[in-house]
Amino acid sequence: DQQVKQNSPSLSVQEGRISILNCDYTNSMFDYFLWYKKYPAEGPTFLISISSIKDKNEDGRFTVFLNKSAKHLSLHIVPSQPGDSAVYFCAARPNNAGNMLTFGGGTRLMVKP
Amino acid sequence: DAEITQSPRHKITETGRQVTLACHQTWNHNNMFWYRQDLGHGLRLIHYSYGVHDTNKGEVSDGYSVSRSNTEDLPLTLESAASSQTSVYFCASRTSKNTEAFFGQGTRLTVV
Repeated sequence: DQQVKQNSPSLSVQEGRISILNCDYTNSMFDYFLWYKKYPAEGPTFLISISSIKDKNEDGRFTVFLNKSAKHLSLHIVPSQPGDSAVYFCAARPNNAGNMLTFGGGTRLMVKP
Repeated sequence: DAEITQSPRHKITETGRQVTLACHQTWNHNNMFWYRQDLGHGLRLIHYSYGVHDTNKGEVSDGYSVSRSNTEDLPLTLESAASSQTSVYFCASRTSKNTEAFFGQGTRLTVV
């Protein structure tokens, strides 16, 4: 049973438009959420995170929104650039374990010039 | 610059052979992890370590083992490789208190 789900395996967006990547979770003990970005033949790199005490965190073109009641978070990229084309993983950490991260299945974002 | 490196980057092995994947980090991080990435499953935790001589099983630990004899290294061993272990393997590390983990570039393992 996947505790972190990314229901869209892929997303295609035009350059300059907004990209919205979604993530749902089931474990109410998760209190910290992260997004990682992965290019082919490279390891995942940390992108942005949010604590459960907040509902929004912004870093340049990247904003993460957290809706605790819906157990849903989303990553917004505005404006999208071709270099953003990658696989994005959502991850979550529970507050009752040894800081173990649980990852979603990933969403492949393609930004078309 | 501090870094985390994995070797080899690519490996082809036969069913039943023992295989060891290396992971080395120079950040002096206490926490180290091994994940495997498979289509549709994202990254799944195999084993992890909180420090020297500490090892713990993750979500998909069957058929794998690790050892931690020093801070820098966490080798992953497949005792008897199976075709189901064909995957991309990622090592990661972080400080004890920081949730953000840094990943290596990955090892693509094919078991034939």
